[in-house]
Amino acid sequence: NAGVTQTPKFQVLKTGQSMTLQCAQDMNHEYMSWYRQDPGMGLRLIHYSVGAGITDQGEVPNGYNVSRSTTEDFPLRLLSAAPSQTSVYFCASKEISGANEQFFGPGTRLTVL
Amino acid sequence: AQSVTQPDIHITVSEGASLELRCNYSYGATPYLFWYVQSPGQGLQLLLKYFSGDTLVQGIKGFEAEFKRSQSSFNLRKPSVHWSDAAEYFCAADNYGQNFVFGPGTRLSVLP
Repeated sequence: NAGVTQTPKFQVLKTGQSMTLQCAQDMNHEYMSWYRQDPGMGLRLIHYSVGAGITDQGEVPNGYNVSRSTTEDFPLRLLSAAPSQTSVYFCASKEISGANEQFFGPGTRLTVL
Repeated sequence: AQSVTQPDIHITVSEGASLELRCNYSYGATPYLFWYVQSPGQGLQLLLKYFSGDTLVQGIKGFEAEFKRSQSSFNLRKPSVHWSDAAEYFCAADNYGQNFVFGPGTRLSVLP
């Protein structure tokens, strides 16, 4: 199993550009999530999904869109990038029921100029 | 609101010394509790988790954590720290699958 994969690893955008961060998992997990990590703030939940076709907002959803058309994939879209979105982004997945840990991808480092 | 706090932003210990990292949670009911470690430039790795039963849980790399309901705490401990333990440590709580929340993290430095 590859686990949770994320692409790209690094990305530089100009303000106003759009892009999609890709996330895929091969563990058949119902729950998938996106976090951003900023110094001193830990990981903050952007959006999450409890299954195909179901998404919900986390703590910091503004400026980001998600969709979940399949169990495996959970892309994160930045519609109009802003410098405040410079961060490291982590995708994670887990089984939805029980005391199950989240498995994390390697992260995407995004810089918005 | 549900939250996880880690009072120590940065801790420095000498190699071979004992370690305790603090974590407190604020939830209506006891959530599932986790400790993750993140080495520089890396993703997150699970150290251990608690959901019920024995309040002292053992994890990987010689770590353990103790759940104390009366104090809403889930502190991480290690009897003897190694230089390779230098990393950032995150406590997290899961409200029965719906809301996985992380604390702000504690950065551990290890002196030779």
